[in-house]
Formats: sequence, structure tokens, C-alpha cells
Amino acid sequence: EADIYQTPRYLVIGTGKKITLECSQTMGHDKMYWYQQDPGMELHLIHYSYGVNSTEKGDLSSESTVSRIRTEHFPLTLESARPSHTSQYLCASSPGDGGEAFFGQGTRLTVV
Amino acid sequence: GENVEQHPSTLSVQEGDSAVIKCTYSDSASNYFPWYKQELGKRPQLIIDIRSNVGEKKDQRIAVTLNKTAKHFSLHITETQPEDSAVYFCAATPPGNNRLAFGKGNQVVVIP
Repeated sequence: EADIYQTPRYLVIGTGKKITLECSQTMGHDKMYWYQQDPGMELHLIHYSYGVNSTEKGDLSSESTVSRIRTEHFPLTLESARPSHTSQYLCASSPGDGGEAFFGQGTRLTVV
Repeated sequence: GENVEQHPSTLSVQEGDSAVIKCTYSDSASNYFPWYKQELGKRPQLIIDIRSNVGEKKDQRIAVTLNKTAKHFSLHITETQPEDSAVYFCAATPPGNNRLAFGKGNQVVVIP
């Protein structure tokens, strides 16, 4: 079934650890996004890609990095996690011609 | 890039009444305007969208209207029900490799 998948759903890690949040979509979408969102609050764009080997930083300053080596895969890496990174991270994808964006279930990250 | 503003930030309505949320956008080239609903603890999901060549679109109790001259679009929910309580996000996207730009969200509370 065409969808967008995020793993893990929940993650608790210690300060200073390196982590990678996974995001994959099976819809062949060109555009992919990473958002940081606290419950019920604004969607803060942290990274955006409009195709393979294209990535841009979003509006929210972030110490994370992303890569887009394959169309379907858009992982986000935090080199050194801090308590301020505690939040929910949502991945999304949309077609290149401007259409519906689909969101993953999200990864709820807690840094202790 | 595109900038989307959403008003009001919080809206409370009595069950059965109508709710209207308005969004303004900055880039006159934007041609796709979706609305997303996010229930508590869930991912945002598309409820209705409109393209720039259409002035109004309706789907049962929800409708979206677009005023390209004034650069604003609105979500209308009629006969509100408790299950309409959620955060609603509007978005706009210009053509090409540009990203989808979201408003800050609107908390709608339907009072039984």
C-alpha cells in the first residue's frame, strides 16, 4: 500500500548520542519534508528536498542533517542529541507538480 | 519564499454553528491551497484542497473559497460537530521546486 513510513515511533536517548530518524515513501513523490512539532502547535520546517541530491534547510534552525540519495528515502541525523531536541518529528512527501502532502506517523523523541 | 498567515489562532463554536478560518498568502504565483486537519495525537491529514483556477470547492459540510486578487482563502465548516474539534492548517505552494508553506495552525473547539 502506498504510504509514508517513519521509524522509530518513539525513542528515548541520552544526551550526546548520535541518532538517525528514518523516513520512506512508496508513492514516488519528488518533494520530501521534515517538520518539528510540539503537540497541537505550529509545524516548523527543518529540512526540505525537491528531488534526489537536493536538500535545503528550512525555517527553523536545526543541528540536524539530511540526505536524499534515493527518491523514496529521506533520513534525518542528529550528530549529538540535546534535551532541547525533545519533540515530535514529522516526515512528509508530496508530488512535484503541487499536490497533496502525506505525513508519516511521526517520531516522538525524548533526550534525557 | 511563500509566507502564509492564518487567523484566528483559536476559535470556539457551539455545536451546529458554522466555523470559518481565513488564510492569507504572499506569493501571487502560488497555485495550490490545501487544508489539513490534525486531531490530538495524530498526523495532519488533507480534508480539502483547491487550485488557483477554481474559486470555490465543496465537500459535504466543508468548503474552501479562494480570492486570488486579495490573496486569501478560507475554510468553511457548517453544522459543526464535536469531532470537528482539531487543529487546522492551511498551506500554499508556488509552482516548480518550491516547497509547501504552512500557516501556524488554528485550534477549533466545538462546544457540545
